[in-house]
This record gives sequence, C-alpha cells and structure tokens, in this order.
Amino acid sequence: DAGVIQSPRHEVTEMGQEVTLRCKPISGHNSLFWYRQTMMRGLELLIYFNNNVPIDDSGMPEDRFSAKMPNASFSTLKIQPSEPRDSAVYFCASIGRRGEVDTGELFFGEGSRLTVL
Amino acid sequence: EDQVTQSPEALRLQEGESSSLNCSYTVSGLRGLFWYRQDPGKGPEFLFTLYSAGEEKEKERLKATLTKKESFLHITAPKPEDSATYLCAVQPHTDSWGKLQFGAGTQVVVTP
Repeated sequence: DAGVIQSPRHEVTEMGQEVTLRCKPISGHNSLFWYRQTMMRGLELLIYFNNNVPIDDSGMPEDRFSAKMPNASFSTLKIQPSEPRDSAVYFCASIGRRGEVDTGELFFGEGSRLTVL
Repeated sequence: EDQVTQSPEALRLQEGESSSLNCSYTVSGLRGLFWYRQDPGKGPEFLFTLYSAGEEKEKERLKATLTKKESFLHITAPKPEDSATYLCAVQPHTDSWGKLQFGAGTQVVVTP
C-alpha cells in the first residue's frame, strides 16, 4: 500500500486566499483524522471522520476551517479566508485495522506545509 | 484536563551512549499510551502502544515501559539513524481510537 497520501506538500499563499488540502487514506481504513502541527502548540487534532461521517470537529479553530469526506478514499481540509496564524504543517492520518477492529495505531501522511503571508 | 509532558526537550548522545526519554501524563482513565518517531519533514511513524502499568515493548534498540503516571522510552546503544523527534501520546478511555493528546516531543541527536 502507498500509505496516506497528501497534497500539496508545500503551499505558500497570501492572506485572504482560499487553501484546500487533500488526503487519500489507506484503503480499508474507516477512520480519517486531520491534525495540525506548530512549534507553539505541537500536534493538535482538528477533526475526524468515521465511515466518511464527521464525528468530532471540536478542534477546528474557527468557521474559516471546514473539512469534507465525500467518499472513503478522499478528504479535503479547506481554509477560507486564510490568515498568517494558520501557517503550520497539516497532517492527515488513518487508523489501522485488524479484521473488523480499529487498532488505535495512526498512520500519518507526510503532511502539507502551509505558509500564509 | 488531560496532559502529556515530555522531557528532556532535546538530547544529544554519542553513538553507543544509552539513555531514556520520559513521558509524564495525566489522563482520566488511560486507554492506551503511544510512542511515535518523527523525522524532519515527515509525518509521525508509529512505534509502540502500551495499555497498562507494568507493560513493556521492544523494537530493535528501543524499549518502552509504562507506569501509572509515566512512560519511558529507553534507547540502548543508539546509532545515528536513531536521530529523530520522539513523540508520546495518550488515548483517554472516554475518546475514540485516534483522538490523541500529544506531548511536545524529545528531539534526539546521535553523533558518530
């Protein structure tokens, strides 16, 4: 398996622009997570989906952030409008499965580094 | 409130010089404690899950242990390829798998 695939790897944009980050989870994994990593706050969970349904979005910082999972193999995280404080590395992860049971092990993508000028 | 504190923040080791990383945690019921390794420019990579006090797990030069208040990651005779940031995370009983509270990490540099 190719692992969790994220795009773009790097994005530089101007304040006020819309940013869309994309993620393809590992095939067969039912849960998908969006985390954000900054020097100040470390890794923080933004939102997660189970079977394409958003379960917990309490970590989404504000209404400028939205996430969708239209099918089992694709998710997007959108920021509109973007602000300099949104600069961070955004990780997508899916959770391992053993048979019909989640194992708790997260498999992370390589991340999307966002810089908002 | 759940909390994870890792120490030291950074660790510089000579090749072969064994050491331990600490992860202190406060959680309302532990479902699991995780260790991840993160290389620069990469996503975290899963190492271990520990579920109950007294449990130990090993992988090559790494050994993770768990008590009721903290976990240790022991690095025995490290090599330069063990250089990375090591992240500890807790999974409370009240949350679904994957909703983790991460520590800030320990950056380990192993010099030849």
